[in-house]
Amino acid sequence: DAKTTQPPSMDCAEGRAANLPCNHSTISGNEYVYWYRQIHSQGPQYIIHGLKNNETNEMASLIITEDRKSSTLILPHATLRDTAVYYCIVRGIYQGAQKLVFGQGTRLTINP
Amino acid sequence: DAEITQSPRHKITETGRQVTLACHQTWNHNNMFWYRQDLGHGLRLIHYSYGVQDTNKGEVSDGYSVSRSNTEDLPLTLESAASSQTSVYFCASSESPWNTEAFFGQGTRLTVV
Repeated sequence: DAKTTQPPSMDCAEGRAANLPCNHSTISGNEYVYWYRQIHSQGPQYIIHGLKNNETNEMASLIITEDRKSSTLILPHATLRDTAVYYCIVRGIYQGAQKLVFGQGTRLTINP
Repeated sequence: DAEITQSPRHKITETGRQVTLACHQTWNHNNMFWYRQDLGHGLRLIHYSYGVQDTNKGEVSDGYSVSRSNTEDLPLTLESAASSQTSVYFCASSESPWNTEAFFGQGTRLTVV
């Protein structure tokens, strides 16, 4: 499984866009980029995923560089409830590579 | 609505006892996973299963076992509980094929005294 590198912590002002970077320079062609978040002690929550095109859903946008070696999760209008640990995960498409392996993530703090 | 449930939510047990944590999902997902999370750390994979009768070791499998006799359940057993196994345990499931999200339970907080 490709490894990911994320900054340990970030701060963002409420109402501003939060941009969370992730480096996955060893990603292979059959691996997707997934983002999850964990609010306090709850179970992780799926946010978004993508292969090579930019993706957007009701929660966030995912921007993947053309070489696929890095990506950015964008929360367009961060609220206090977005304070959480955000995990960037690379996940293979084959049966034997579907497990999710979590790194340390980025602790995002949204400030009023 | 389909869901994934863990039980119990909290448990205290003594060192050396056998403990089983339950995980039940109603999505009919093939893939199920067990993670542990220690204070200040990310989630670490213990065991996982891609279907009935299939089990695989994760990165921290020592002292744990799982069995998959049906699609809905993946119980996690601590053969002889140790204080180092005090942790929060999360179960998750996902559907095959690959392009789907994983759903997590609310966690079981286990304390070994």
